[in-house]
Amino acid sequence: EQLVQSGAEVKKPGASVKVSCKASGYTFTGYYMHWVRQAPGQGLEWMGWINPNTGGTIYAPKFQDRVTLTSDTSISTAYMELSRLRSDDTAIYYCARPLHPSAIRWAGIWGQGTLVTVSS
Amino acid sequence: EIVLTQSPDTLSLSPGERATLSCRARQSVTSANLAWYQHKPGQAPRLLIYGASSRATGIPDRFSGSGSGTDFTLTISRLEPEDFAVYYCQQYSSSPYSFGQGTKLEIK
Repeated sequence: EQLVQSGAEVKKPGASVKVSCKASGYTFTGYYMHWVRQAPGQGLEWMGWINPNTGGTIYAPKFQDRVTLTSDTSISTAYMELSRLRSDDTAIYYCARPLHPSAIRWAGIWGQGTLVTVSS
Repeated sequence: EIVLTQSPDTLSLSPGERATLSCRARQSVTSANLAWYQHKPGQAPRLLIYGASSRATGIPDRFSGSGSGTDFTLTISRLEPEDFAVYYCQQYSSSPYSFGQGTKLEIK
């Protein structure tokens, strides 16, 4: 069971970024997927989750108008797209899968993280 | 939003000592919905404790969790060199699933 994320990105303010998270070793549609970020020198921040089986999503209010979580079940991959990037969006972005199928809680398997740098 | 406050911000201890980390919620959190993570630089966070007191697979028994309602504790009975890291609590009682600000456990 593994989550492998896409590589580092450098974006300009106002642009969008799309990070991918490819799952392997388990039934992709059986588990929710969370997205969490960590800005430099800051703590962990939960962004939202997606149910790959239904496409249903829940977003943290802070990101509600800028983040879109999607998935492609044919290739077992989840995506996090963040728009209207600002410098304070510079962070490592993680995908994380819960411990148990059909459960939202307890992120037990994590991707390796993707560094997104926003700079003019 | 449920705000989680961890204390202390930094804990300086020596290997072999006991560490007690606190996580306090502004409103009640169901025990089943409280988790603890360990995070080391350059690595992904690692789930240690779920349901307030259940150890995740492969977690040594020197790690234990306890608590209910608004007060939760992570205890490391005898610190090993690899335990020095940042520790976060997270609640899943209600969205957004907030994290505490973290406790940095450093070598004294």
